[in-house]
Amino acid sequence: AQKVTQAQTEISVVEKEDVTLDCVYETRDTTYYLFWYKQPPSGELVFLIRRNSFDEQNEISGRYSWNFQKSTSSFNFTITASQVVDSAVYFCALSANSGYALNFGKGTSLLVTP
Amino acid sequence: ETGVTQTPRHLVMGMTNKKSLKCEQHLGHNAMYWYKQSAKKPLELMFVYNFKEQTENNSVPSRFSPECPNSSHLFLHLHTLQPEDSALYLCASSRSAVGDYNEQFFGPGTRLTVL
Repeated sequence: AQKVTQAQTEISVVEKEDVTLDCVYETRDTTYYLFWYKQPPSGELVFLIRRNSFDEQNEISGRYSWNFQKSTSSFNFTITASQVVDSAVYFCALSANSGYALNFGKGTSLLVTP
Repeated sequence: ETGVTQTPRHLVMGMTNKKSLKCEQHLGHNAMYWYKQSAKKPLELMFVYNFKEQTENNSVPSRFSPECPNSSHLFLHLHTLQPEDSALYLCASSRSAVGDYNEQFFGPGTRLTVL
């Protein structure tokens, strides 16, 4: 069975602060994929990143960075110098090669205030 | 049109009505999905179609009936729904249902309210 835990339900930061969103996953598959999605108030889920289980390299894309650590089964997401437009619900998800489903965490609601 | 589109964006229906949700993807993908997003609950996968064939039905009640006439279109037919079915229904597509290229791209969703 696959499971994704996002322990932080809500986070509130002031603009320009750095913020890290935690994601812990469980799977017995050796091949799996991890994802982050952003859901702004408009409702549409926006794809941010995909990582496969064989690629533990961290990734940076502008103000976004991701830290994948198999040893702790974590795939954390950091936003540097947060902006008001970053306010959204962020979902971590897991897909194992044994199935089609994206198993989503419950999401972390991020509020960035000016 | 680009990406994944869904119509209608909002739908209010009575429990005895029959309605359909439509999803169209303009990405040349081969797999399409229906998800349900309720308040305070994780996104729930409902159905998966891969090359027009239904590959997964995640124990969804029969009052929800999917249809995939081709790789670009996906419908969700609704009948005799219950108030607890009120939710945001999201459609997604991906190039592949499994393995590489399985990242899913989502539409804006249909906000359904059942009275």
